[in-house]
Amino acid sequence: DAEITQSPRHKITETGRQVTLACHQTWNHNNMFWYRQDLGHGLRLIHYSYGVQDTNKGEVSDGYSVSRSNTEDLPLTLESAASSQTSVYFCASSDDSLKNIQYFGAGTRLSVL
Amino acid sequence: AQKVTQAQTEISVVEKEDVTLDCVYETRDTTYYLFWYKQPPSGELVFLIRRNSFDEQNEISGRYSWNFQKSTSSFNFTITASQVVDSAVYFCALSENTNAGKSTFGDGTTLTVKP
Repeated sequence: DAEITQSPRHKITETGRQVTLACHQTWNHNNMFWYRQDLGHGLRLIHYSYGVQDTNKGEVSDGYSVSRSNTEDLPLTLESAASSQTSVYFCASSDDSLKNIQYFGAGTRLSVL
Repeated sequence: AQKVTQAQTEISVVEKEDVTLDCVYETRDTTYYLFWYKQPPSGELVFLIRRNSFDEQNEISGRYSWNFQKSTSSFNFTITASQVVDSAVYFCALSENTNAGKSTFGDGTTLTVKP
C-alpha cells in the first residue's frame, strides 16, 4: 500500500543546531506540503512543492527551507533551530487527480531546548 | 485571501448525544473545495469528506453528516449518537481549485465524548 512516512517521529535538539526532518511518500504524488501544528493555531503551512525542483513558501516559512530533488521526498530543514520552532510537524501529499485531498504522515514532534 | 473559522474551540458531550461542529469559510474564488479531517488522540490526520463548491447536496455517511450552505459560507459537520471513539480534534479546510491541494485549515475543534 502507498504511504507517507516521516522520520524521526521524535527529536530533541539544541538552539542553533541545524535539523532536517524527512518526508517520504510512495503515492507518486506531485504535490507535497509541510505544516506545523501548535496549540490554538491549527495547521499552518510552512513550505510546499508542486513537483521536482519546485518549492514555495507558505505562511510561516521563516527559518525553514525545503528542497525537492525527486518525486518521493521533501525534507524540511531548520537552518538554526529556535525554541519557537518547538512544534509538531506534519508532511502531506496530494495528487491533482484526487481533487486536493491531502494524505498526511504521522507527524514529527520536535523539541528545541 | 482564504480563511476558515471554527469558532468552537472545545466541545464536550455525553455519549449518544448529537453534536454539530461549525465551519465558516471565506474565499473570493467561485471554484473551491471544502474538507473535514479528523485527528484522534493518536495524532494522525485522517481525511473524512470533500465537497466542491458546485455541489450543495448534504451528505450522510453512517453517523456522520455534512451540511454545506453557500449562502452562509458554512460547511457544518454533525455526528449523530456520538461515541467515545469520536473524541478527536476535527479540522475544516478550504482549497482553491487552481492551487493543487494547497489548503487553509481552521484552528480545529476538540471534541470530547464522555461515556
